[in-house]
Amino acid sequence: AQTVTQSQPEMSVQEAETVTLSCTYDTSESDYYLFWYKQPPSRQMILVIRQEAYKQQNATENRFSVNFQKAAKSFSLKISDSQLGDAAMYFCAYRSEGNTPLVFGKGTRLSVIA
Amino acid sequence: GAGVSQSPRYKVTKRGQDVALRCDPISGHVSLYWYRQALGQGPEFLTYFNYEAQQDKSGLPNDRFSAERPEGSISTLTIQRTEQRDSAMYRCASSLDDRGPYEQYFGPGTRLTVT
Repeated sequence: AQTVTQSQPEMSVQEAETVTLSCTYDTSESDYYLFWYKQPPSRQMILVIRQEAYKQQNATENRFSVNFQKAAKSFSLKISDSQLGDAAMYFCAYRSEGNTPLVFGKGTRLSVIA
Repeated sequence: GAGVSQSPRYKVTKRGQDVALRCDPISGHVSLYWYRQALGQGPEFLTYFNYEAQQDKSGLPNDRFSAERPEGSISTLTIQRTEQRDSAMYRCASSLDDRGPYEQYFGPGTRLTVT
């Protein structure tokens, strides 16, 4: 079974600075998808960014980018120019090509300091 | 179009009672998923449907939990004889299909408290 590990329970960053959240996963599959979800205090689940494993290019969405290292099974999220609204729980998630449920990590709580 | 909706948003029930949690997915979405999220944890998969067919129920913790989606749209997750350990946020998500990188859109969740 696939597992997702987020080794940083909590992180903090100064407003306007850059922060990187770590995620590693374990799988024997070659085709899969990786996601970062944001959960603000409202407890909604908001997709931040996704990466297809077959793509070598790292995904980017505005201030959010990933560092996907397939051989190392690592999928970190970089948030640039951090804003107060970025404060939230961030979950890394894995999805197989064939089986569809998302497998989530335990999350990293990000605080943004003004 | 409206997003995924869930009802009730909050449910407090006494131990031993049955509860039914409802999920209304985005119109036209084929796949519907149920997850459970304990406080401070990531969501954990319970079960999912394509149309009305239950594809995988391996995440249901025991036989007190069941789910249905009889007409391929609205789904109900039922917990019989609730126990305190069932207290959690129950989340529903839907996606266009179960293949490819289709995004799973999450509902606001139902917070269940068993007293």
